[in-house]
Amino acid sequence: NAGVTQTPKFQVLKTGQSMTLQCAQDMNHEYMSWYRQDPGMGLRLIHYSVGAGITDQGEVPNGYNVSRSTTEDFPLRLLSAAPSQTSVYFCASSRRQGRQPQHFGDGTRLSIL
Amino acid sequence: SQKIEQNSEALNIQEGKTATLTCNYTNYSPAYLQWYRQDPGRGPVFLLLIRENEKEKRKERLKVTFDTTLKQSLFHITASQPADSATYLCGCGNNNAGNMLTFGGGTRLMVKP
Repeated sequence: NAGVTQTPKFQVLKTGQSMTLQCAQDMNHEYMSWYRQDPGMGLRLIHYSVGAGITDQGEVPNGYNVSRSTTEDFPLRLLSAAPSQTSVYFCASSRRQGRQPQHFGDGTRLSIL
Repeated sequence: SQKIEQNSEALNIQEGKTATLTCNYTNYSPAYLQWYRQDPGRGPVFLLLIRENEKEKRKERLKVTFDTTLKQSLFHITASQPADSATYLCGCGNNNAGNMLTFGGGTRLMVKP
């Protein structure tokens, strides 16, 4: 079982560049989300989706875009990278029924120079 | 704003002892709490869920309590082993769409042989 797959694992960008972080899950989960993890700050929700075609903002959405055209994929786009976006990004998925555990990928480590 | 706090200092204990980790929340009334384990370079892995109407939940050597009066959850690992060394995250949920969680900053546990 692949679970939640994130690519790339590492990326270095220059300020102002754009890029897309990929996330795919093979569990047919309705819910998907993106978190960022910074030292001492825990995981903070960026955007989430409750199904194909439906997305919404989380706690820290500025500077990021998402779309969900299929159940499996939920890419995260950085429009114009800034040093403040240096972080580890985690994608997670869960079943629709409430209180379900989140299944996380192993993260993308992103550095913005 | 809602706040989830975990001890940011690492917890060092001897093998065989019970490790107790704390999760406190303020300005918040979670419907449930989830505990996750995170190893270096990996995504969080779900361990246990406890609902607001449950006082205690157990799974093998793990035990979680939920005290809505103290606004606190305790996570216990009995007969700890060096393999239990990891960072443990507390996530609070509210039956919202998307199953999104608000996480604490995590506590690093080091079990010494």
